Amino acid sequence: ELKVEQNPLFLSMQEGKNYTIYCNYSTTSDRLYWYRQDPGKSLESLFVLLSNGAVKQEGRLMASLDTKARLSTLHITAAVHDLSATYFCAVDIKSGNEKLTFGTGTRLTIIP
Amino acid sequence: DAGVTQSPTHLIKTRGQQVTLRCSPISGHKSVSWYQQVLGQGPQFIFQYYEKEERGRGNFPDRFSARQFPNYSSELNVNALLLGDSALYLCASSVGGNTIYFGEGSWLTVV
Repeated sequence: ELKVEQNPLFLSMQEGKNYTIYCNYSTTSDRLYWYRQDPGKSLESLFVLLSNGAVKQEGRLMASLDTKARLSTLHITAAVHDLSATYFCAVDIKSGNEKLTFGTGTRLTIIP
Repeated sequence: DAGVTQSPTHLIKTRGQQVTLRCSPISGHKSVSWYQQVLGQGPQFIFQYYEKEERGRGNFPDRFSARQFPNYSSELNVNALLLGDSALYLCASSVGGNTIYFGEGSWLTVV
């Protein structure tokens, strides 16, 4: 059974600081997704990582994938308050399968 | 372009009742999947449909069923509702399995 673990579960950080969220998964996977969820809202797609060594960046967020280590990271640079949300990684074992297994989520709070 | 649309947005049901949730995928998307998100947890996969055929089913009881129509819209049905079925039900659509887009969800409360 595929297990996806994120850490930390809760993260409180000051504006302007850098931090990294880690996503470990237990089975070989074709692709990994990162989503953002604001309270009471749905999931907003951030990144899709399709191969080993993939790196994608959008604004202050950068995601990377190491399929050999079964690890993805979401790096936050110079955090701003607007980035406060819960971040989920999700793994799709088989290409095109679209059966996502989500991590536990990381609740990020940016303190002014 | 419209995103994934779901209805109703909120509903309250009584234990033992049945509920039907509806989803319209993004235009051109033939794959629809359903997820349940209990408060404080990550979404859990329920079903995936592609071209009206069930492609995957998660670890949910037979009280949960779904179908996809010729226009690729989908319905999720839950029978004999339990208190534990209270959750946000998310519909997602995609084309080619790359970016998977989620709708705003249907909040179900069972009392």
